[in-house]
Amino acid sequence: DIQMTQSPSSLSASVGDRVTITCRASEDIISSLVWFQQKPGKAPKSLIYGASSLESGVPSKFSGSGSGTDFTLTITRLQPEDFATYYCQQYHAFPLTFGAGTRVEI
Amino acid sequence: EVQLVESGGDLVQPGGSGSLRLSCVASGFTFTSYWMTWVRQPPGKGPEWVASIKQDGIEKFYADSVTGRFTISRDNVKNSMYLQMDSLRVEDTATYYCVASSAVGDRHWGQGTLVTVSS
Repeated sequence: DIQMTQSPSSLSASVGDRVTITCRASEDIISSLVWFQQKPGKAPKSLIYGASSLESGVPSKFSGSGSGTDFTLTITRLQPEDFATYYCQQYHAFPLTFGAGTRVEI
Repeated sequence: EVQLVESGGDLVQPGGSGSLRLSCVASGFTFTSYWMTWVRQPPGKGPEWVASIKQDGIEKFYADSVTGRFTISRDNVKNSMYLQMDSLRVEDTATYYCVASSAVGDRHWGQGTLVTVSS
């Protein structure tokens, strides 16, 4: 199975900050990576697919980069509605596997 | 507008008699162009992949933890996907999400349905 190591597990930030979350795959997954956001009690919301493509309707403050084994999600101009947990997930091979999540707190 | 609506979650007892069938009805996109997947999330934990089914309904993949107990299927006429869950265990307790993903990777999530396995 492909292991997804996400860091940090949590971070504290302020409104207006820029934050970066990283995800490392245990083997080459090309660009088969998605990022999604989840708020407490809510369903996940997809942000990025193909490592760097923005899902329809997602603001450009979210961006993804990377290929192979190392990936990054960057959020600029942090707003109150961005405080949530963010996960990465690879879809290069079954079983599909997820990172453990990064909780972005105020 | 893309919509995925899950249903069928309930409280069931563990063991041989513990069975449920989850449904996911899709609208707002070309259902036959999308892989369909079930992802579950136990209370307070991260998401876990359960099973996926290809557009043609023939190729299916399962997590080891559910192989032999769960069966994924789809009906491309009804724009629906199903998960038959048998021999449910306490550790199957989770919110189950329906996910549609295209060939290029974009994906949509449903709102989830809660399955509780408890005596």
